[in-house]
Amino acid sequence: GAVVSQHPSWVICKSGTSVKIECRSLDFQATTMFWYRQFPKQSLMLMATSNEGSKATYEQGVEKDKFLINHASLTLSTLTVTSAHPEDSSFYICSARSDRSSNQPQHFGDGTRLSIL
Amino acid sequence: AQSVTQLGSHVSVSEGALVLLRCNYSSSVPPYLFWYVQYPNQGLQLLLKYTTGATLVKGINGFEAEFKKSETSFHLTKPSAHMSDAAEYFCAVKQYGDKIIFGKGTRLHILP
Repeated sequence: GAVVSQHPSWVICKSGTSVKIECRSLDFQATTMFWYRQFPKQSLMLMATSNEGSKATYEQGVEKDKFLINHASLTLSTLTVTSAHPEDSSFYICSARSDRSSNQPQHFGDGTRLSIL
Repeated sequence: AQSVTQLGSHVSVSEGALVLLRCNYSSSVPPYLFWYVQYPNQGLQLLLKYTTGATLVKGINGFEAEFKKSETSFHLTKPSAHMSDAAEYFCAVKQYGDKIIFGKGTRLHILP
């Protein structure tokens, strides 16, 4: 149980385009989802936290107009990287939790590798 | 502020040998502590976690970790390494709310 699916797993696109990444909880309802960014050989950095039906809470230094997060349903959250540039190339990972209690574990997706040319 | 320090970005052990991955944390209150494993191009999988109670925590795949408050440590061990254990391991701490702070990771290499 507790499977989180991310799509696509790999995407390459031209500079200036927008890219949407989907994060789905397959067998549970995810009231809270998290988006992380991981640079090569580095740790995960939390970008934002989103509760279903609410606006996402962004971490300091993360541009909310560049990284648009939508969590419109209990099983789907999307991250859209707008007007992507090479410096946005990274590994993006989502996680999901079954309720708003922070004591519940986060279940991670397999990540999306984004390469901007 | 919370922080996590993992000693050694790379650790190599022989197959069948003891695995020891070190993690020290800083936290002003009793923390929740986690170990995650990440295989190439994949997300994170929870190995084990400490919240309260017994300080020796057993996880999946034969791993365990011991919370030592006096040493502010949460080292990960496995008695006998297997080739399939080769991966990146992250120690993490959570204090209040949602935010989990991850260490920089330790890549475990298993030598045949």
